[in-house]
Amino acid sequence: DIQMTQSPSTLSASVGDRVTITCRASQSISRWLAWYQQKPGKAPKLLIYKASSLESGVPSRFSGIGSGTEFTLTISSLQPDDFASYYCQQYDTYSGWTFGQGTKVEIK
Amino acid sequence: EVQLVESGGGLVKPGGSLRLSCAASGFTFTDAWMSWVRQAPGKGLEWIGRIKSETDGGTTDYAALAKGRFSISRDDSKNTLFLQMNGLKTDDTAVYFCTTGISPPRGNWGQGTLVTVSS
Repeated sequence: DIQMTQSPSTLSASVGDRVTITCRASQSISRWLAWYQQKPGKAPKLLIYKASSLESGVPSRFSGIGSGTEFTLTISSLQPDDFASYYCQQYDTYSGWTFGQGTKVEIK
Repeated sequence: EVQLVESGGGLVKPGGSLRLSCAASGFTFTDAWMSWVRQAPGKGLEWIGRIKSETDGGTTDYAALAKGRFSISRDDSKNTLFLQMNGLKTDDTAVYFCTTGISPPRGNWGQGTLVTVSS
């Protein structure tokens, strides 16, 4: 099974900060990587798919980069609505899905 | 508008069974690959498994946590996805979501249904 290692598990930041979250796959997943945002009591919201494609309606301050085993989600200027948990997900067609452990972005 | 509505959650004793449903609307369900994902209280997201569209074979794939205990099926005539859970353990306590994931229509999730396994 493909394992996803996400870091950090918690991140304290202020409004306006540039924030970066990293995800590593245990084997190459090409660009089959998505990023989700989740707020308490809500379903996850898709932000980015295929490593760098921004989902419709998602603000351009969110961006993703990477391929193979190393991936990054960046929020260029953190907004109050961005304090939430973030998950990476690999979706290789043959091996199913795996999620990273999650990153909670907290107010500093 | 795409809608996914889960139902069937509740309180069940260890060793018991439960069948969750996910009613889909607003898209061509017959063409969709559907997945179940769960989230234990205060924990992360955990993929349970998926079922492909009938045109793609209708086959299922499961995570290790589900093999032998959980079963995913679909009724395309009723636009409904199912998750049959047997031999439930206290560790299965979670909110269970159905989702299209990255498959078209991309990024759609239900609101989740809570399953509590407790004596």
